[in-house]
Amino acid sequence: DQQVKQNSPSLSVQEGRISILNCDYTNSMFDYFLWYKKYPAEGPTFLISISSIKDKNEDGRFTVFLNKSAKHLSLHIVPSQPGDSAVYFCAASAGGMRFGAGTRLTVKP
Amino acid sequence: EAGVAQSPRYKIIEKRQSVAFWCNPISGHATLYWYQQILGQGPKLLIQFQNNGVVDDSQLPKDRFSAERLKGVDSTLKIQPAKLEDSAVYLCASSSTGAGNTIYFGEGSWLTVV
Repeated sequence: DQQVKQNSPSLSVQEGRISILNCDYTNSMFDYFLWYKKYPAEGPTFLISISSIKDKNEDGRFTVFLNKSAKHLSLHIVPSQPGDSAVYFCAASAGGMRFGAGTRLTVKP
Repeated sequence: EAGVAQSPRYKIIEKRQSVAFWCNPISGHATLYWYQQILGQGPKLLIQFQNNGVVDDSQLPKDRFSAERLKGVDSTLKIQPAKLEDSAVYLCASSSTGAGNTIYFGEGSWLTVV
């Protein structure tokens, strides 16, 4: 069930720079997209979401972009901070929610 | 507001034994989910309940996994008999409705089958 794909297992950026995490999906029925952040030994926590009727949603340092024609979404973190180091999961919903495999972000001081 | 509660946090069992996990969702959330997360992978939906009815259990290995939500509130996920490949984190989550809403996760129940 590879309906949601995160092709980069890891990403490393310098503190203060931009982090860009990418996600692709295959199911055109998905109408709601989310990003979750996960620290070790904890459950995923909700970060930001976007409805399919929008192409951008911003919340502080976090912005999610949705390109429906390309079936692609991305999460931008600006500026990146060491506390942002975690695994980020992309998720998509058409009723039930499907998750990507995650990208491990490391922000170096 | 209390979050999603899960227990036990950690469990080690031998293969062919059984195990049960319990989940209490956020108060008022009608939809409850059980996900399985194997190390290095994203969460995989096992079963989704709307109140006490099953909405989606297409990825639940029904020969060994079962789940119930009898009163439409808390839920139990059971594995019997366990296999080595069942070693994973079992995440319970809830949302106010099934579609177009954010789901909130518990801390997970970590299962190791030896």
